[in-house]
Amino acid sequence: AQSVTQLGSHVSVSEGALVLLRCNYSSSVPPYLFWYVQYPNQGLQLLLKYTSAATLVKGINGFEAEFKKSETSFHLTKPSAHMSDAAEYFCAVSDLSNTGKLIFGQGTTLQVKP
Amino acid sequence: EPEVTQTPSHQVTQMGQEVILRCVPISNHLYFYWYRQILGQKVEFLVSFYNNEISEKSEIFDDQFSVERPDGSNFTLKIRSTKLEDSAMYFCASKVSRKNEQFFGPGTRLTVL
Repeated sequence: AQSVTQLGSHVSVSEGALVLLRCNYSSSVPPYLFWYVQYPNQGLQLLLKYTSAATLVKGINGFEAEFKKSETSFHLTKPSAHMSDAAEYFCAVSDLSNTGKLIFGQGTTLQVKP
Repeated sequence: EPEVTQTPSHQVTQMGQEVILRCVPISNHLYFYWYRQILGQKVEFLVSFYNNEISEKSEIFDDQFSVERPDGSNFTLKIRSTKLEDSAMYFCASKVSRKNEQFFGPGTRLTVL
């Protein structure tokens, strides 16, 4: 069975500071990993994905994530936070089996202070 | 840019009533999903649909739930007799192939009174 753990349900950073959102996964098969962002009252938007190619993945809005198999981690980073980054971030894993369903973490709310 | 659409955006219903949530996936996509998110909780998988049949369903997806793709464009989720605990945001998602990412609709907020 697959699972995702996001450490820290709330993260607060100052504008211009580094953003680090943590995600650890558990999977018995090579995982495909995703980060989605959810702005208030909106749906889920894909930020980036890891699909067994490069371990450092770049996404939209300046975000990137690094797949570390030894640490079973896929942490999301952004060098400099912007006020518009305030949102809920979800890490998800898929085994791309027959169904390819996504298993989500609990989510991390990012607050950006001016 | 193609997108997944969902209607209605908000549905209020009385306990015990039937509701149908509608989704129009991206036109060339072949895999379809429903997820739900209870307020303040994580997004949970409900059901996946491929080749005109359910490919997997979660424990949440009991006999009160059903899905249908009636006309090759719409993808619906029906709850036969709603319960208070069905109140949640329901997301439809689709993807073009097994290895691609899923695209999500904006969601339908279901409120059961």
